[in-house]
Amino acid sequence: RKEVEQDPGPFNVPEGATVAFNCTYSNSASQSFFWYRQDCRKEPKLLMSVYSSGNEDGRFTAQLNRASQYISLLIRDSKLSDSATYLCVVTLYNNNDMRFGAGTRLTVKP
Amino acid sequence: NAGVTQTPKFRVLKTGQSMTLLCAQDMNHEYMYWYRQDPGMGLRLIHYSVGEGTTAKGEVPDGYNVSRLKKQNFLLGLESAAPSQTSVYFCASSTQGYNEQFFGPGTRLTVL
Repeated sequence: RKEVEQDPGPFNVPEGATVAFNCTYSNSASQSFFWYRQDCRKEPKLLMSVYSSGNEDGRFTAQLNRASQYISLLIRDSKLSDSATYLCVVTLYNNNDMRFGAGTRLTVKP
Repeated sequence: NAGVTQTPKFRVLKTGQSMTLLCAQDMNHEYMYWYRQDPGMGLRLIHYSVGEGTTAKGEVPDGYNVSRLKKQNFLLGLESAAPSQTSVYFCASSTQGYNEQFFGPGTRLTVL
């Protein structure tokens, strides 16, 4: 079993749609959680950190469920510019070793 | 600030050849990382460093060596390249292990 698993995708949605991605992690001692965004043939960039209480940044909402060992990302009112691959990232207990999910590809269409 | 830079951007090697990938950061970060990204696999950590003069193995260290002689530089070496090492290599840096990582633009390596 992979340490970090994401929805397989791809997700193809119309502009204005709401879309949600889930990610599960296997190591219960995982400490920190993030969502990164990666555009085609570019480097990953931090989208948002994920806090235990959940957090929101504009149209993006991230949730963490430690008991079930999953994190989620909700994107409301999708824009064409949201088209990218979204990477779920978990740091292990020593906080020095980040594990990335394989990513979920999102395409927002006009 | 240039952020994180990587040299070279592209490289083609023959099996058995050696090469060194250079990563440089100008953000005074303590932590630096080398990842490889393969289709369907996501990014996998090769080696990392928590400060000048230190290195540690990540998830997939075999076939690679690293050095961190200067705080701003992190070198990744392939002593004898194999086709299985064909990949996109990303370098990253951060202030702490649990903080945001800043990535370089990547190096596309093909081993024939």
